[in-house]
This record gives sequence, C-alpha cells and structure tokens, in this order.
Amino acid sequence: GQQLNQSPQSMFIQEGEDVSMNCTSSSIFNTWLWYKQDPGEGPVLLIALYKAGELTSNGRLTAQFGITRKDSFLNISASIPSDVGIYFCAGPERTSGTYKYIFGTGTRLKVLA
Amino acid sequence: SQTIHQWPATLVQPVGSPLSLECTVEGTSNPNLYWYRQAAGRGLQLLFYSVGIGQISSEVPQNLSASRPQDRQFILSSKKLLLSDSGFYLCAWSVGMVQYFGPGTRLTVT
Repeated sequence: GQQLNQSPQSMFIQEGEDVSMNCTSSSIFNTWLWYKQDPGEGPVLLIALYKAGELTSNGRLTAQFGITRKDSFLNISASIPSDVGIYFCAGPERTSGTYKYIFGTGTRLKVLA
Repeated sequence: SQTIHQWPATLVQPVGSPLSLECTVEGTSNPNLYWYRQAAGRGLQLLFYSVGIGQISSEVPQNLSASRPQDRQFILSSKKLLLSDSGFYLCAWSVGMVQYFGPGTRLTVT
C-alpha cells in the first residue's frame, strides 16, 4: 500500500532552536495533515493544507504543501519543552464513499532545556 | 463544536476474555468513523472504518470486529482477546478530508 516517508525519525534539539521535518509520498495528495501526539494521548490536528504551494501557520508552527503535491514540510520556531512528542503527517486517500488516511511513520521530537 | 469520547481510558483484561470499546461523537451528523490501533512507539494501523449506521469496512483480518449501531456511536469488540491485541486504540471521525482523533484507550491483555 501507499506509504508516507517522514524524516527525520527522531531529533534532539535545544530549547529555542528551530525544527524542520518533512514528509514525502510516491503519489499525489490533495490534502496534507499534520498531527502531534503526546504520550498516552490521541493525535491532535495541528495544520491542514489544501492547495499546492500553500503555506499555513499556527502560532510557532508553519507547514507547507509542496508544489509537486508529493511532499509537505513542518517547521517549529523557537522550540519549547512542551513541543516534545511525535509529529505525524497524513494524507487522505479516496475510497468507497469516504477517505482512508495514510500516515507517516512519525518524527519523535525531544527538546533539551 | 465537535467532540469525540472514548471509554474506558484504560483497560486490563485477561487472555480469552471479551472486549468492548466505545466511541461517541458529538456535535456533528453522519460522520465517517474509524478505529486504529497503535503499538508502543509505532505508527497508526487502520482497523475498521464506517460511512454510516451498520456499514463497516475491515482493513485487517484479525480477532476484532466493529459495529455502528447509531450514527455517532462506534464500537470495537472481541469475543476472545489475545495477548497480541494489547495496544493503544484510537477512534477518529472525519467530515470532508480532515480527520480528528479521540483520546484513546490503553488496552493491556495479560
């Protein structure tokens, strides 16, 4: 089945640093979704992107929908300890009457105070 | 606004016992509903999805089943749990192309 390749798999950064992660696909998506999951909780939607080239911000987070529609990027500026967690990208794939969602393998972020 | 509930939050069950996990969505009508399982430190595995009452699509043949008795209720069941059923179970709903997750149920089979 289709897969999303997410990188890096994990990263340790110092508090205050900027973070970049990306997600690539072998096929085109019409929407890209970025989620954050804290330990023991469900993923929370951070940003949804609907159009190739779109750049959308949510506080210190900025995400971009790649021009080729096969990739997306998430940046976090001035990281803080609560940014720790796993970040997932996802794209909807049309199926009978609904969408199934293809998820990346996740980027585990650890912030050193 | 829409909210999604799952219960119980945590569950410890012996091997061979039955299972019933419940998910309800508020504030929306006719949502698409999903069950996922997440193993420790791993990604999300889609188990079932539903586009309407009584309509269930299974993604992975296994020891589990799902039902949707009401528009905003989705139930995950098993007649006899296996050790391999342990994991973090997430319910999700979608309208359009965006999906939202519930808080999850941590299931430990002993």
